[in-house]
Amino acid sequence: KAGVTQTPRYLIKTRGQQVTLSCSPISGHRSVSWYQQTPGQGLQFLFEYFSETQRNKGNFPGRFSGRQFSNSRSEMNVSTLELGDSALYLCASSLVQGRNEQFFGPGTRLTVL
Amino acid sequence: AQSVAQPEDQVNVAEGNPLTVKCTYSVSGNPYLFWYVQYPNRGLQFLLKYITGDNLVKGSYGFEAEFNKSQTSFHLKKPSALVSDSALYFCAVRDYNNAGNMLTFGGGTRLMVKP
Repeated sequence: KAGVTQTPRYLIKTRGQQVTLSCSPISGHRSVSWYQQTPGQGLQFLFEYFSETQRNKGNFPGRFSGRQFSNSRSEMNVSTLELGDSALYLCASSLVQGRNEQFFGPGTRLTVL
Repeated sequence: AQSVAQPEDQVNVAEGNPLTVKCTYSVSGNPYLFWYVQYPNRGLQFLLKYITGDNLVKGSYGFEAEFNKSQTSFHLKKPSALVSDSALYFCAVRDYNNAGNMLTFGGGTRLMVKP
């Protein structure tokens, strides 16, 4: 089975721009979560989608948004980029919520200049 | 609210020696606990989980972890470390009373195994 895939792997943007990141979960997985990883703040939960509905949202400003499509693929969008948004953005998928572990993709490295 | 603490930023161990990476957690209900490993420029790789049952959980690559409810700990262990185990290790918790899959991670512990 193919793992979680994320595109693009690397991205460079300037302040004020917006960006869209994509995540394709493992086949059959219906839950997709997004995390932000930075050296200063560590791994922080952004949001989770299950069956195209947002289930949970972390403590991030409204500039961060996401969605999930009927095929479980997910996108996250960051508008009006700030320097502090530079991070590794990780997507994770699991079968359903609960006791199942999440499988992570390789991440998208976003650099904001 | 849920939280995880990994008190050691770095653990150094000689190859062949046992290793322990510490983790303590806080949740309002009962926990689901996970360990992940991250190699440079890679995503997180699942090692093992505690859901219920035996307190000693065995996982991938010879790793195991012991759940201790009274001490709210879930320390990662391996009897004999390999140089290839050198990586960044994360402990994570989810409160099963909360809907969804939101994980709260510890700050990570860098494991350095020296030949």
